[in-house]
Amino acid sequence: EPEVTQTPSHQVTQMGQEVILRCVPISNHLYFYWYRQILGQKVEFLVSFYNNEISEKSEIFDDQFSVERPDGSNFTLKIRSTKLEDSAMYFCASMRGTGQPQHFGDGTRLSIL
Amino acid sequence: RKEVEQDPGPFNVPEGATVAFNCTYSNSASQSFFWYRQDCRKEPKLLMSVYSSGNEDGRFTAQLNRASQYISLLIRDSKLSDSATYLCVVINNAGNMLTFGGGTRLMVKP
Repeated sequence: EPEVTQTPSHQVTQMGQEVILRCVPISNHLYFYWYRQILGQKVEFLVSFYNNEISEKSEIFDDQFSVERPDGSNFTLKIRSTKLEDSAMYFCASMRGTGQPQHFGDGTRLSIL
Repeated sequence: RKEVEQDPGPFNVPEGATVAFNCTYSNSASQSFFWYRQDCRKEPKLLMSVYSSGNEDGRFTAQLNRASQYISLLIRDSKLSDSATYLCVVINNAGNMLTFGGGTRLMVKP
């Protein structure tokens, strides 16, 4: 069964550094997402991406965050200057079409020191 | 009011028991509904979509009541492997972003 893959599985970074989280969505999917989950809290939407542009973003997704789909297969989330409160699990998801279920990767655990 | 609200539990049940989870959502324009399960420190995995007419998948039955903005999940004949957090998830009319409830934790004991 095709799956969403994410790398790295765990990223440890000093506060203020830039991080890039990578995702390879399912190949015939058209909609891409990033979510995050702070330990012990609920999953929160960050951003959705369709047709090579951001379609929706949450309040969390401020100017420090950006997304790219540089080569038709990878989908990346960049955090420019990390803060302690950015520590969380970051999940990538993809979806084939509107109203279809979203399928999640197994996440990147980001630890900011 | 939270957008998607669930009883956090935990629900502790013996193997073989029937257990029901409820969920309410605040946005009456919500269009799509799902139950996901999440194991500890893992990604959410789709359990089932929820349809207006109600739907069943093996031991799992989901119901949707649009008038009351209420979704339920029934698990029959609980297995040890059903132990997880069950996430009620809603897509509203404004886009395709998933809005998650806080989850209900289920622990099935031998």
